Amino acid sequence: GAGVSQSPRYKVAKRGQDVALRCDPISGHVSLFWYQQALGQGPEFLTYFQNEAQLDKSGLPSDRFFAERPEGSVSTLKIQRTQQEDSAVYLCASSLDRGSGYTFGSGTRLTVV
Amino acid sequence: AQSVTQLDSQVPVFEEAPVELRCNYSSSVSVYLFWYVQYPNQGLQLLLKYLSGSTLVKGINGFEAEFNKSQTSFHLRKPSVHISDTAEYFCAVGADTGNQFYFGTGTSLTVIP
Repeated sequence: GAGVSQSPRYKVAKRGQDVALRCDPISGHVSLFWYQQALGQGPEFLTYFQNEAQLDKSGLPSDRFFAERPEGSVSTLKIQRTQQEDSAVYLCASSLDRGSGYTFGSGTRLTVV
Repeated sequence: AQSVTQLDSQVPVFEEAPVELRCNYSSSVSVYLFWYVQYPNQGLQLLLKYLSGSTLVKGINGFEAEFNKSQTSFHLRKPSVHISDTAEYFCAVGADTGNQFYFGTGTSLTVIP
């Protein structure tokens, strides 16, 4: 598509629920990134894929966070047993190459109550 | 690793006045530098980028930035701001040896009529 698409735009989860956030990158973009943006903060790196390979997951805050990109296109970020501190905007970005910068989606705002 | 410092969290400026948003970075390797803009409830949009070559970079919406290696800075400037420039601005740095980018905490630009 023309841009990076994320769904849902908003998600309210009860504490302890599992959630799945979807990212559909720009067609042909090899690199895909997930970032977490807390209120009033800059985006914080979570994980990076090159095609279907997850090359860096050093930013995932706990083992409750899991990301996959099985066919090298759409990616899903899953958070198990959500906690209040997981409330944030989750941004997905894709890139053609390192020097191009990222194209970001509009994000998914997760609120854990 | 790289890091980014945005010295001003909030910058109010009158319409048609010039503005400078400051960004300093730290890195032990060659870097790529970016400025992104984020409008309310939207993802990040690339304003401009520095990869190599000329240290003065021009971007969209009349913005420009100057890379200063000796001062490790990449300040964003606009000679005359509009109301529509009111948004959050993020500076980001990436190393040419890595994949992820590091973002600053953002500067909220408010243009006053």
